Amino acid sequence: TQLLEQSPQFLSIQEGENLTVYCNSSSVFSSLQWYRQEPGEGPVLLVTVVTGGEVKKLKRLTFQFGDARKDSSLHITAAQTGDTGLYLCAGYRTSGTYKYIFGTGTRLKVLA
Amino acid sequence: ETGVTQSPTHLIKTRGQQVTLRCSSQSGHNTVSWYQQALGQGPQFIFQYYREEENGRGNFPPRFSGLQFPNYSSELNVNALELDDSALYLCATGTVSYEQYFGPGTRLTVT
Repeated sequence: TQLLEQSPQFLSIQEGENLTVYCNSSSVFSSLQWYRQEPGEGPVLLVTVVTGGEVKKLKRLTFQFGDARKDSSLHITAAQTGDTGLYLCAGYRTSGTYKYIFGTGTRLKVLA
Repeated sequence: ETGVTQSPTHLIKTRGQQVTLRCSSQSGHNTVSWYQQALGQGPQFIFQYYREEENGRGNFPPRFSGLQFPNYSSELNVNALELDDSALYLCATGTVSYEQYFGPGTRLTVT
């Protein structure tokens, strides 16, 4: 059961370009996290957003939580080769047994 | 560096066997969640433990079971292994409900 859809699935861009990754669901989440994962390693937490409409900035990364807490976006400004990796969003629900739901992932490759 | 460790790093088992994977978190983390990540996919939630009791479960059969110990370590047990169980198994620990810090994972191969 995939309740969180990410788009695009794959993205290959030149260094210096901007990009946006989307995370969409029909479910409401108490909070949403964004992770980056390198091959053979566990995901690394980038940010947690909790309030509908919340915007958080982490250097060149901007995260937004939708007003209805069903969707989120990650925007990267002036991408660098070090941004290459698998980006995952994950929604957390306090009700029901499915506590954490991960998105399908966006594989980003930034070319020099 | 999250302070979350997992062992073993890699494991090869035969179909029908049983396996135990281990996770150790830093002091103070009272939640631990386990995930299965197949190649090219996002992690799938198996279950979460809070203060040594199961606190939520994903769509996994009962042959997936777990334990959380008072010393902040945890185990994931899988019985009657199937070929489809081959995946990266991740544990994640934290101090509040939604904050999770992942370990490096255990790569399980079932032949």
